[in-house]
Amino acid sequence: DAEITQSPRHKITETGRQVTLACHQTWNHNNMFWYRQDLGHGLRLIHYSYGVQDTNKGEVSDGYSVSRSNTEDLPLTLESAASSQTSVYFCASSTGHSSTDTQYFGPGTRLTVL
Amino acid sequence: QKEVEQNSGPLSVPEGAIASLNCTYSDRGSQSFFWYRQYSGKSPELIMSIYSNGDKEDGRFTAQLNKASQYVSLLIRDSQPSDSATYLCAVNRDSGYALNFGKGTSLLVTP
Repeated sequence: DAEITQSPRHKITETGRQVTLACHQTWNHNNMFWYRQDLGHGLRLIHYSYGVQDTNKGEVSDGYSVSRSNTEDLPLTLESAASSQTSVYFCASSTGHSSTDTQYFGPGTRLTVL
Repeated sequence: QKEVEQNSGPLSVPEGAIASLNCTYSDRGSQSFFWYRQYSGKSPELIMSIYSNGDKEDGRFTAQLNKASQYVSLLIRDSQPSDSATYLCAVNRDSGYALNFGKGTSLLVTP
């Protein structure tokens, strides 16, 4: 069955380290998104991509980067992890055919920055 | 910053009652509106989507949209304890594919 996966599911790292969170989908969706979820803030958009080689900044993109080299993957990199980036990170994807498309979410990655 | 506002709750309703969840949004250009359900420790899953003014029904769920008032709601009829979760309202950003989410309303259905 087609699916969207994230790895690792849990990660503990230290301040200043570079961290990469993986997102992989097998639906052949054009659109992929990264969100973070924090208590009191809900889901906030970090970066998104509408196709290979396309990336766009969301509302909380500072300190994060993405690259899209193929349809299936959109890795999220924290260049120099900060304690403020402790959060749950969700990847999502949609077909890209219409703004009415459903976004399907991965299981999430819980990141702790010490 | 374009906003999506929800009452955080918790909203507590007895089993079998109607739960009413509300959401307002600030971007008049938004065209697509979604309700996601999120259980604790899990990822969001789509419950309903609505694009035209009026009501849309799917089983026990009804979504209502009023673009003039920039208001979207979700009604859950015959609420069950399994409906206890956080409900997230989402609106498409800048007429595109990305979504702006509200902070969510926590619903508790008591037996």
